[in-house]
Amino acid sequence: LAKTTQPISMDSYEGQEVNITCSHNNIATNDYITWYQQFPSQGPRFIIQGYKTKVTNEVASLFIPADRKSSTLSLPRVSLSDTAVYYCLVFSGTYKYIFGTGTRLKVLA
Amino acid sequence: NAGVTQTPKFQVLKTGQSMTLQCAQDMNHEYMSWYRQDPGMGLRLIHYSVGAGITDQGEVPNGYNVSRSTTEDFPLRLLSAAPSQTSVYFCASSYSPTGVEETQYFGPGTRLLVL
Repeated sequence: LAKTTQPISMDSYEGQEVNITCSHNNIATNDYITWYQQFPSQGPRFIIQGYKTKVTNEVASLFIPADRKSSTLSLPRVSLSDTAVYYCLVFSGTYKYIFGTGTRLKVLA
Repeated sequence: NAGVTQTPKFQVLKTGQSMTLQCAQDMNHEYMSWYRQDPGMGLRLIHYSVGAGITDQGEVPNGYNVSRSTTEDFPLRLLSAAPSQTSVYFCASSYSPTGVEETQYFGPGTRLLVL
């Protein structure tokens, strides 16, 4: 199973762009990279998913280099409500979604 | 759609007691799973199911049993509760267990305290 490594925590100010990088050195050919967001006392919520290059939706962008050994979640112009824990997840088709410890993002006023 | 529902929201148990955490989904998802989340930690997979009648162990299965008699329901049983099982339990589901491009939907969680 591919394991993921992320920074434990990050601080940012409102209005800034935040980039969170996840490394997944053992990613397999068919693996997709998925990011989830979790607020206190809630279950994780899907943000974005990608396989290669760049994916963008109304919430975030996901950048994946050609070797796919890392990925970067980009949150444009964060607000206080983006304070949460962000998880990078690699699903390898073995039916086991294994979450890492996540990155605790704190957005400051 | 109610999505993924979990009951109860909160439960207090004494050491040695047993109980069942309920999870149901109305999205006709084949894949369902249970996670536990300890304070300040990430989620750890307990058990999962790829369809009715099929279950398997995750990272931390000891002390827990599951069964999947219907597509909708995936209960988690604590056989003999221990203080180490104090945690928040999340149930999740997704459409297909075989597609790598899948999104999991999580329930609101059950907060369990074992004294």
